[in-house]
Amino acid sequence: EIVLTQSPGTLSLSPGERATLSCRASQSFSSSLALAWYQQKPGQAPRLLIYGASNRATGVPDRFSGSGSGTDFTLTVSRLEPEDFAVYYCQQYGSSPYTFGQGTKLEI
Amino acid sequence: QVQLVESGGDLVKPGGSLRVSCAASGFTFRDYQMSWIRQAPGKGLEWISYISNGGDFIYYVDSVKGRFTISRDNARNSLYLQLNSLRAEDTAVYYCARENYGKFDYWGHGTLVTVSS
Repeated sequence: EIVLTQSPGTLSLSPGERATLSCRASQSFSSSLALAWYQQKPGQAPRLLIYGASNRATGVPDRFSGSGSGTDFTLTVSRLEPEDFAVYYCQQYGSSPYTFGQGTKLEI
Repeated sequence: QVQLVESGGDLVKPGGSLRVSCAASGFTFRDYQMSWIRQAPGKGLEWISYISNGGDFIYYVDSVKGRFTISRDNARNSLYLQLNSLRAEDTAVYYCARENYGKFDYWGHGTLVTVSS
């Protein structure tokens, strides 16, 4: 099973600042770009933000971007809006079982 | 628009059973693979089971293998998860999610299963 480790656990920033979240895999998976990012707000289901490591899902603002390949991936939020403060999870779907990272809490 | 609505969550005693359901609408259900993903209180996400669009390929994570059964009824646009031999550590919100080439592009709101005496 591929273990995804997200860092930092908590990121404290202010609106307008840039956020950089990391996701590292314990090993490469068959498709090196099979990585997604989700946003979850309290009391809500996760929402798909990024898939294929760098593709924005429908309706996701362009301040969100993903990058990386192999075992190291990054989610960047270029300029934080108040509604961006949430928990973010990465997920790999290149190797079964699919696995999620433990999450990064982005707080004000 | 795509909607997934879970139901059936409840308080169950250890060793008990429960069936949770997911009603799908807004897309051609039979064309998509579906999964169940759970989230224990205050914890992260755990993918626990998957079923192919025709129901002929099924996967379970080790922690639920032999206790949980996933199924679907394409005529009713519904996904199910039968939970048997429940343990305290199965307490979680259970989400159904549409799988689209590995990524989960739509999620339901979840249904809470609590296992406690």
